[in-house]
Parts: sequence; C-alpha cells; structure tokens
Amino acid sequence: DIQMTQSPSSLSASVGDRVTITCRASQGISNYLAWYQQRPGRVPKLLIYAASTLQSGVSTRFSGSGSGTDFTLTISSLQPEDVATYYCQKYNSAPHTFGPGTKVDIK
Amino acid sequence: EVQLLESGGGLVQPGGSLRLSCAASGFTFSTYAMSWVRQVPGKGLDWVSIISGSSGNTYYADSVKGRFTISRDNSKNTLYLQMSSLRAEDTAVYYCAKGRETGTTNIGYWGQGTLVTVSS
Repeated sequence: DIQMTQSPSSLSASVGDRVTITCRASQGISNYLAWYQQRPGRVPKLLIYAASTLQSGVSTRFSGSGSGTDFTLTISSLQPEDVATYYCQKYNSAPHTFGPGTKVDIK
Repeated sequence: EVQLLESGGGLVQPGGSLRLSCAASGFTFSTYAMSWVRQVPGKGLDWVSIISGSSGNTYYADSVKGRFTISRDNSKNTLYLQMSSLRAEDTAVYYCAKGRETGTTNIGYWGQGTLVTVSS
C-alpha cells in the first residue's frame, strides 16, 4: 500500500507569516490528493482537492500544488482562525490513506 | 442542507459486535460514495472503508478487513458499518463522510461522529 508522510509534524508561526506544509506519497498518485483542516474540537473540513483546486467557500489564503509524489499546502498569510491540524489524503485507489497530520499554531 | 447523523456507538467488550448507522439527508444519497473514517481522540485520521453509490463496490483498510462490513440502504438514505471481533485498538470516534460530488471518492463532508469504546 502507498504510505503518506507529512512534514513538519508541527509548526509555530506568527500572524501574517507564509506557512508551507509538505505531503509525500511513497508512490505516484497523480493529482488524487486532498487537504483537510481540523480545528480543535471540530470535524475535518475539506480545503483542497485534486491537489490544487480550492473547495468552494474556502479562503483564498489556502493553496495547493504538486503532482505525482510531492505536494504542498500553503497558507499565504497565517490568521488566528487557521490554528488547526492539517491532513493530506490520497484517493486514487483504496486504501484512501491519510497523512499523520501537521499541527499549526500561532507563535 | 447536507446532514449526516451517526448513531450506534457505545461501550462494547473485546470480541463483541456493534452496528453503526449514518442517516443522510439534503442530497441524493444513492449517487454518492460514502466512507467511514475513525479517529482516536487526540490522534490522527484513520480511513476505514468506502462504498460506491449505486454499484455498492466496497473497500476496506487492512486493519478492519474481514471484521467490518460497510453497506447502504439507498431506500432509507442510510449508511451502515457492521463491526465484529472488536479490539481495544478499534476504540475511536467513527465519522460518516460523503463524497464531494457524484462520481468521486474524495470526501467533501463529514458527520459529527459517534464514539465507540472497546473495553472490558
């Protein structure tokens, strides 16, 4: 099965900073990659699908890129409401494995 | 408005069985793939299973294959997860999730979850 890794596992940044999270698949998955945000105590929320398509209603501060095995999620200007854990997920074929998550907080 | 309401969670002994249900509304249930994802409180997301909309094709994580069965009743707009031979490591919040759009397996919406605790 394809394994998903994320880096870093956690980060602390200042309001207004640009934040980048990396997700890597152990084999190519084309662009079948989604990003989810899970705020503390809340259910996950879809941010990005097809590696780079912004889900309707999601802030344009969020962007995604990549294809194959290497992907990134970028928050262009970190805001307090972005404090959350971010997960990538492959969905090209089962199992639809999630990455281990990246916890983002404010410095 | 899309609604996914899970039920059936609770305390069960190791080796026991439990059936989770997810009542769906606000969309044409039969045309969407549906998934179960679980999360140990304070830990990461763990994909469990998916079932396609109309054909009923099913897939499972290796950790639950042979013990869990996903199914759906399109006439009742309800998704199920039959869990048997439960283990302590199956303890988690179980989320029902809907495909982002028809024809895709990408999760677009999550229910609020139901807690399953496996303990003697």
